[in-house]
Amino acid sequence: DAGVIQSPRHEVTEMGQEVTLRCKPISGHNSLFWYRQTMMRGLELLIYFNNNVPIDDSGMPEDRFSAKMPNASFSTLKIQPSEPRDSAVYFCASSQTSVNTEAFFGQGTRLTVV
Amino acid sequence: DQQVKQNSPSLSVQEGRISILNCDYTNSMFDYFLWYKKYPAEGPTFLISISSIKDKNEDGRFTVFLNKSAKHLSLHIVPSQPGDSAVYFCAATYYNQGGKLIFGQGTELSVKP
Repeated sequence: DAGVIQSPRHEVTEMGQEVTLRCKPISGHNSLFWYRQTMMRGLELLIYFNNNVPIDDSGMPEDRFSAKMPNASFSTLKIQPSEPRDSAVYFCASSQTSVNTEAFFGQGTRLTVV
Repeated sequence: DQQVKQNSPSLSVQEGRISILNCDYTNSMFDYFLWYKKYPAEGPTFLISISSIKDKNEDGRFTVFLNKSAKHLSLHIVPSQPGDSAVYFCAATYYNQGGKLIFGQGTELSVKP
């Protein structure tokens, strides 16, 4: 398996524009997580899905952020409109939740909003 | 409310010596703990884990110790190698959380040749 695949790797956008980040989890994994890494807050969980259903979105900072998982092999995180303070590295991770086990991370998307 | 804390942002160790990275947690419901390693421009990769029913887990040069009464865990790397230089994250979860991990802030380890 190729692991968790995220795209794009880098995104530079202007303030006010819509940004969509994409993730393909590892096949067979039934949980998917979106994390954001910043210097100030470290790795913080934004939202996670179990069997394509959003379970906990309490980490989503504002209504400008939304996430979807239309099927088991694809998820998106959308920011509309984007702001400079959204600049961060966004990670997607997936895991099997039947037992306590590790989550596997993608390489991340570095987002810069200017 | 930071449930998982890594109070040392950085650590520098000589090659061949022991590296000890520390992590504290506040939520007594946590029952599974993990360490991740992260290189620049890459995603975190899983290193080692421990269940709350154990107090030690060893994998090669890496050993994780858990002290439940103190709500403290540590990662020992011995001997340390320059390739171990990375940011190390402690994470915790508990049953029925769907694998949701709560991470510490990370400790940047530098192993000097």
